Amino acid sequence: AQSVTQLGSHVSVSEGALVLLRCNYSSSVPPYLFWYVQYPNQGLQLLLKYTTGATLVKGINGFEAEFKKSETSFHLTKPSAHMSDAAEYFCAVSDQDGGSQGNLIFGKGTKLSVKP
Amino acid sequence: NAGVTQTPKFQVLKTGQSMTLQCAQDMNHEYMSWYRQDPGMGLRLIHYSVGAGITDQGEVPNGYNVSRSTTEDFPLRLLSAAPSQTSVYFCASSFGLPANSGNTIYFGEGSWLTVV
Repeated sequence: AQSVTQLGSHVSVSEGALVLLRCNYSSSVPPYLFWYVQYPNQGLQLLLKYTTGATLVKGINGFEAEFKKSETSFHLTKPSAHMSDAAEYFCAVSDQDGGSQGNLIFGKGTKLSVKP
Repeated sequence: NAGVTQTPKFQVLKTGQSMTLQCAQDMNHEYMSWYRQDPGMGLRLIHYSVGAGITDQGEVPNGYNVSRSTTEDFPLRLLSAAPSQTSVYFCASSFGLPANSGNTIYFGEGSWLTVV
């Protein structure tokens, strides 16, 4: 069965600093991996996803993530944080394993704060 | 360009009352789902549907009913509201299950429900 672990429920960075949000997953078969962002009082919006092919995936707003099968990780990065990046970020996994019946399994989320 | 529309946005219920959260999508998506979001818990799947007339349970289905009579609509019914159902509810839709080729799920704006 799949699971998703996001390390750190809160991450704080200074404006212009590197953003690194960690996500590890467990899956018995090659997974599909997603990062979603949620701004206050809004729904979730897709940032990026990995399905097949290139393991470095670029998304919206300058974010990218790298699928590392050997480390079962899909960490989200952005070289330079902007105040507008303050939000909650969710990592999610789906595969054909059957444990989630093909649905998305979400991590508990990481709230990113950006200091001026 | 409505996407996924949820109503109502805010609702206060008394314990034991029933209500229906409405969800409609205009993207001709076969897959629809309901999640609840609680602090520190991420998003948990309540029910989902892979097409009209087909519904199935997710991780936390107890206390909720769904039906899918049309492709566009997927209402969530609370039969006898309990304080434990105080949460933010998100409806989502996609062309198919996320595990099928990594289909992207699109979320509504959320419905904030308080049960007193």
